[in-house]
Amino acid sequence: VKLLESGGGLVQPGGSLRLSCAASGFTFTDFYMSWIRQPPGKAPEWLGVIRNKAKGYTTEYNPSVKGRFTISRDNTQNILYLQMNALRAEDTAIYYCVRDYMYYFDYWGQGVMVTVSS
Amino acid sequence: DIVMTQGALPNPVPSGESASITCQSSESLLHSNGKTYLNWYLQRPGQSPQLLIYRMSTRASGVSDRLSGSGSGTDFTLKISSVEVEDVGVYFCQQFLEYPWTFGGGTKLELK
Repeated sequence: VKLLESGGGLVQPGGSLRLSCAASGFTFTDFYMSWIRQPPGKAPEWLGVIRNKAKGYTTEYNPSVKGRFTISRDNTQNILYLQMNALRAEDTAIYYCVRDYMYYFDYWGQGVMVTVSS
Repeated sequence: DIVMTQGALPNPVPSGESASITCQSSESLLHSNGKTYLNWYLQRPGQSPQLLIYRMSTRASGVSDRLSGSGSGTDFTLKISSVEVEDVGVYFCQQFLEYPWTFGGGTKLELK
């Protein structure tokens, strides 16, 4: 199993960014996928999940980002996305793509840094 | 949201000694199916978190049997017997009972 995030970087407050996560080594459509972020030196924060094919690829979000962040997936290319809008300084963190397996997170990507600053 | 609160360790921990990390949830994590949805992760320096224990007491694949998880509905313990260099890092508990999934603030383990 490999999860490789990309798309991070420096963005101004109020700006947008889309993160991608290339998944391999497993049947992508069988699994729920989550995004989790971690500000430097702090605890992880779950952002949201997109369910598997059997559950119709439905989504759930943390209220802390609901309405600003959107999770989607391209099941033909095995890519997970996180669209982030109206970014704030407090969104600065390492963002992880994570496989969600039956009530635990079993594989994490290496993470990508997002810095929101003017 | 369910709030997860972790205790601190009396660092540094002497090599070979045991260490117990505590975690408390603001609500019971015991599901009506009898399972308790509490997980433990370790984040080694410079790495992503990795799963150690799921559903309170089941070790993940490849995890040393020196680690064990226990607890009740709201109070949980991760015990590490005979602490080694590979155990150094920050430990997080996490609940999977209800959205939004939430993590504890972390417990750092340093080795003496």
